[in-house]
Amino acid sequence: QKEVEQDPGPLSVPEGAIVSLNCTYSNSAFQYFMWYRQYSRKGPELLMYTYSSGNKEDGRFTAQVDKSSKYISLFIRDSQPSDSATYLCAMSAVTNAGKSTFGDGTTLTVKP
Amino acid sequence: DGGITQSPKYLFRKEGQNVTLSCEQNLNHDAMYWYRQDPGQGLRLIYYSQIVNDFQKGDIAEGYSVSREKKESFPLTVTSAQKNPTAFYLCASFQGPALGAGELFFGEGSRLTVL
Repeated sequence: QKEVEQDPGPLSVPEGAIVSLNCTYSNSAFQYFMWYRQYSRKGPELLMYTYSSGNKEDGRFTAQVDKSSKYISLFIRDSQPSDSATYLCAMSAVTNAGKSTFGDGTTLTVKP
Repeated sequence: DGGITQSPKYLFRKEGQNVTLSCEQNLNHDAMYWYRQDPGQGLRLIYYSQIVNDFQKGDIAEGYSVSREKKESFPLTVTSAQKNPTAFYLCASFQGPALGAGELFFGEGSRLTVL
């Protein structure tokens, strides 16, 4: 069983929709939770990160962590065609924060 | 501009050949990582190095080798022992305290195809 499971998708939504991307995990040592965005044939780039449980908002993006359920989410409001990409959740432990474990990614297409 | 430079972008290899993928960073980061990405499988860690002249195996190190002779450089060799080397390879460096949150900075990737 994988340590990190990500809803596989793909997702296709109309422009302006609210998007929910989700991951679950099994390793209780994970304390840092990241979301990366990857455009086709490019390297991933960090979108947001959160520490422990709670919500974090950045513009149209909200990251949510529920450690009791071992569940994290990324919400995108007012989605735009430029949001079309693969979204990867990633997690790491405090003792080696750079050594991240990634989900398999969810490919999102936002149609104008 | 500061960042991670990977080369070559595309590489073709015949079976039985070793190939080396280059990764250079000018971000002055101590830690560097190599990930492999297959379609629909996310990123899997091959090797990582937290300091010059030291590196550790990741989850899928078999058939790969690395060196870290300089802080800026972390080349990956895909050996003939790697049974299924066709994949997208990503190099990253880490900005953050040793015990704390930070960000992985990725290169543009190298796509290796075995003919």
